[in-house]
Amino acid sequence: GAVVSQHPSRVICKSGTSVKIECRSLDFQATTMFWYRQFPKKSLMLMATSNEGSKATYEQGVEKDKFLINHASLTLSTLTVTSAHPEDSSFYICSARDRPDGDGYTFGSGTRLTVV
Amino acid sequence: AQSVTQLGSHVSVSEGALVLLRCNYSSSVPPYLFWYVQYPNQGLQLLLKYTSAATLVKGINGFEAEFKKSETSFHLTKPSAHMSDAAEYFCAVSPSGSARQLTFGSGTQLTVLP
Repeated sequence: GAVVSQHPSRVICKSGTSVKIECRSLDFQATTMFWYRQFPKKSLMLMATSNEGSKATYEQGVEKDKFLINHASLTLSTLTVTSAHPEDSSFYICSARDRPDGDGYTFGSGTRLTVV
Repeated sequence: AQSVTQLGSHVSVSEGALVLLRCNYSSSVPPYLFWYVQYPNQGLQLLLKYTSAATLVKGINGFEAEFKKSETSFHLTKPSAHMSDAAEYFCAVSPSGSARQLTFGSGTQLTVLP
């Protein structure tokens, strides 16, 4: 089945630094990937939709300059949290459609970001 | 527009008892519906999905769900709970036939008591 690899699984960074999270589709090409943020004991909040070769579409209230998304290839999308602050600490999860016209969504294993 | 409501943020059942997790949806177009399970500090694993075929959908680990259009519901059930079923469960909806993203419910934490 379709597999999405997300790395790193955990990261601790200092306030003011930037952190990059990678999301790779291992055995399929993902023209569209999604980035979610999950607060403790809360649901997933869609941050942005990442489209290969074009600019990401951000949801209302998500700062595009803070959460930089790059989808340069059909198998890799990255989320960079720039100038991280403690309030950016969260669980970030990526997801990809396993077929362009399909109804399947495969999720990465998530990244626990802690900003100290 | 679409939304999902999961009734009950916490559900506790005894091992061997019936599991029932409730999900109601709202969608302006025919929906696709999904149930995902999440274990601590992990991503989401698909349990089952409804994509306009059979209304009773069977998934992994003995779970099933029934799409009821008249009730706009897609409740998740399992006849006999196992300790390993303890996790967070999310219901999600997406418009059928499009590339739009999933909209998740708020989740239900299932606790299985010995």
